[in-house]
Amino acid sequence: DAGITQSPRHKVTETGTPVTLRCHQTENHRYMYWYRQDPGHGLRLIHYSYGVKDTDKGEVSDGYSVSRSKTEDFLLTLESATSSQTSVYFCAIRAVRASTDTQYFGPGTRLTVL
Amino acid sequence: QKEVEQDPGPLSVPEGAIVSLNCTYSNSAFQYFMWYRQYSRKGPELLMYTYSSGNKEDGRFTAQVDKSSKYISLFIRDSQPSDSATYLCAMSYTGTASKLTFGTGTRLQVTL
Repeated sequence: DAGITQSPRHKVTETGTPVTLRCHQTENHRYMYWYRQDPGHGLRLIHYSYGVKDTDKGEVSDGYSVSRSKTEDFLLTLESATSSQTSVYFCAIRAVRASTDTQYFGPGTRLTVL
Repeated sequence: QKEVEQDPGPLSVPEGAIVSLNCTYSNSAFQYFMWYRQYSRKGPELLMYTYSSGNKEDGRFTAQVDKSSKYISLFIRDSQPSDSATYLCAMSYTGTASKLTFGTGTRLQVTL
């Protein structure tokens, strides 16, 4: 258990509606990441954060925004959802454990945009 | 061309077989190499972590990195049905905020 929760775990929404996904961590890690996972593409980085109010874009950031007002929470917002944003979204934290410095993932949010 | 290439499978093997999973990459700056295991409808979990070239063993799992060939492998000995999952390779390099570049994953099925 990486100490990460994601909410909601499943969501169905309609094209054009705003959607916010939440990632919550309990271990006070500085770095947090949002990925999407699609068949044939693997995991692709959307945005990441390196501290409160410090964020940067990943490779597939168009159509997404993020916010981090507290260390423990990293929010991903789809301002106006499109069908191409139907995907599974994973949050991750960067942690050093047993001398490995890498990322640990949450359980995912399955989003369907109709 | 993708930075990291991984055969998507599916790969089906009988229980007890030795499994070989592989990734190739194009960016010679990659220094940290990982294998994640992902069960259906779950998040990826870290399985193996290797820095630079060489081998690392952990129980039935062995990770190999050959930087000269830009090729990494994961071997699973005495495979079990519980090893049935998708295996993702990932890699990163220094100074990138630990940003990972993933392969697309290989789906493995171990049959009784």
